[in-house]
Amino acid sequence: EDQVTQSPEALRLQEGESSSLNCSYTVSGLRGLFWYRQDPGKGPEFLFTLYSAGEEKEKERLKATLTKKESFLHITAPKPEDSATYLCAVQGVVNNAGNMLTFGGGTRLMVKP
Amino acid sequence: DAGVTQSPTHLIKTRGQHVTLRCSPISGHKSVSWYQQVLGQGPQFIFQYYEKEERGRGNFPDRFSARQFPNYSSELNVNALLLGDSALYLCASSGGGANYGYTFGSGTRLTVV
Repeated sequence: EDQVTQSPEALRLQEGESSSLNCSYTVSGLRGLFWYRQDPGKGPEFLFTLYSAGEEKEKERLKATLTKKESFLHITAPKPEDSATYLCAVQGVVNNAGNMLTFGGGTRLMVKP
Repeated sequence: DAGVTQSPTHLIKTRGQHVTLRCSPISGHKSVSWYQQVLGQGPQFIFQYYEKEERGRGNFPDRFSARQFPNYSSELNVNALLLGDSALYLCASSGGGANYGYTFGSGTRLTVV
């Protein structure tokens, strides 16, 4: 069974204070690892897909990296508008005809001005 | 372009009642997935449909059912509602291949009283 654990559960940063969010996973053959941002009461907003260890992707102040056991979402010089819950999900290969995503519990990020 | 649209946005039902939630995917997307997100947790996979056929089912009771129509829109039905069914129900659409990102709608907030 695929599993995803995100840490920390909550993170408070001052504006401009860089940090990283962790996503540890076990999966029966990784098809893809996904990062989403979710604002309160809204659906998840797609950020990145990573497919293989060593891959990195960037978007504005966000950079996602992938190893064989975990992924990191690095946030550089965050702004208050980066406050949201960040979700990590994996898509495994075995017994997954439905291409389901297995999500972690998320990290709630709060950036104070 | 319209994203994934879900209706209704909010719904209040009584225990034991039945509910139908609706989803229209992004134009051209043939795959629709349904997820349940309980407050404070990550989304959990319920169903995936592709080309009107069920391709995957999560660990949910038979009270949950779904279908996809010829125009690729989808319905999620839940019978005999329980208090524990209160959640945000999310629909995601995809181009169909495993390497396509999943785009989520804003969800339907279901409250069972």
